Amino acid sequence: DIQMTQSPSTLSASVGDRVTITCRASQDIGSWLAWYQQKPGRAPNLLIYKASSLKSGVPSRFSGSGSGTEFTLTISSLQPDDFATYFCLQYYSYSPYTFGQGTKLDIK
Amino acid sequence: QVQLQQWGAGLVKPSETLSLTCAVYGGSFSGYYWRWIRQPQGKGLEWIGEINHSGSTNYNPSLKSRLSISVDTSKNQFSLKLTSVTAADTAVYYCARGTGHSSRGTYYYYMDVWAKGTTVTVSS
Repeated sequence: DIQMTQSPSTLSASVGDRVTITCRASQDIGSWLAWYQQKPGRAPNLLIYKASSLKSGVPSRFSGSGSGTEFTLTISSLQPDDFATYFCLQYYSYSPYTFGQGTKLDIK
Repeated sequence: QVQLQQWGAGLVKPSETLSLTCAVYGGSFSGYYWRWIRQPQGKGLEWIGEINHSGSTNYNPSLKSRLSISVDTSKNQFSLKLTSVTAADTAVYYCARGTGHSSRGTYYYYMDVWAKGTTVTVSS
């Protein structure tokens, strides 16, 4: 299995802050990484695919970067609606597809 | 706009079979992989398996011996069966669409549309 190590597991920040979340893959996955936002009681919502492609309709304050084994999700200026849990997904290998363990972003 | 709607039993007895179905509305059924993912309360996400419109499947090796995913293209539906369940199978189960893009002739699929989820509890 490809292990996805996500950090930090929790992150406290304020509205207007710039925050970065990291996912590291246990092997090279190219650019086959997606980022999701999940709010309590809701399904995950796709933000970014192919490491840096922003899904249509997602605010431009969200951005993704990286390739190979190290990837980052950046929120340039936190808004109140952004406090949620974020997951990465590697979809390079289906044996099996694997997620990071999640980063809970809460209000400082 | 495509929407996924899922249903199935919310309470399953230990050793019995968990069954869920997901229907696809408002979009094409072919050209995608249709997936199941689960999330135990307060924990992370686990990919269970997937199927395409032709019936080609991929399963998580950790669940493969108990897992069956099938498709009914006449109804734009796909289904999950997980046998011999235990308390460890208690989770919110989601169905989702896998959308692909190609690179050098190989397709890579990420989940772009999700259903709302079904809470399944395994308990006697």
